[in-house]
Amino acid sequence: DAGVIQSPRHEVTEMGQEVTLRCKPISGHNSLFWYRQTMMRGLELLIYFNNNVPIDDSGMPEDRFSAKMPNASFSTLKIQPSEPRDSAVYFCASRPGLAGVYEQFFGPGTRLTVL
Amino acid sequence: AQKITQTQPGMFVQEKEAVTLDCTYDTSDPSYGLFWYKQPSSGEMIFLIYQGSYDQQNATEGRYSLNFQKARKSANLVISASQLGDSAMYFCAMNKGGATNKLIFGTGTLLAVQP
Repeated sequence: DAGVIQSPRHEVTEMGQEVTLRCKPISGHNSLFWYRQTMMRGLELLIYFNNNVPIDDSGMPEDRFSAKMPNASFSTLKIQPSEPRDSAVYFCASRPGLAGVYEQFFGPGTRLTVL
Repeated sequence: AQKITQTQPGMFVQEKEAVTLDCTYDTSDPSYGLFWYKQPSSGEMIFLIYQGSYDQQNATEGRYSLNFQKARKSANLVISASQLGDSAMYFCAMNKGGATNKLIFGTGTLLAVQP
């Protein structure tokens, strides 16, 4: 079975531009997570969804960030407008809703560079 | 508030020897989960092992074992018979028990396995 799929793998953009990161969770998983990894702050949870519904977005840094999950197989993280401090690796992860399965399965990440 | 502490920024180990990576945690919740993830230089996050707070025995997965000392709030990862491919960053993480999915990560330990 395919793992979590993220696109693009690398994104370079200029300050002020809109950036959209995409994620396809593992089929059958009902929880989806967006994380950000930077040298300064490490790995931080931005937002997570259960059954396509946003449950906790307290990690979203500011209003420039938004995330959607229109269906069980697709999610987006949008930054508008982007700033250089948004440069980071953004991970999407998913988790099945099965008793006894606790781990989150991570995608390969999107490396975002905002110039 | 929950917190994960990894005090070893970097570790060296000789190939075929065992190594222990330290992790301490802080939480007031009686139910929680502890995780270890591996991040090689390629960047992906790989799940290694899980320990539930009510589990009576220490978790083991192949060459990985988790030395869980609840009273000391420590969850050290032990890698036996180190291999060159074990060279990576290792992250300890925890979440609340029950339905809460939020993972909180430590700052990581960079392990270098020497031939």
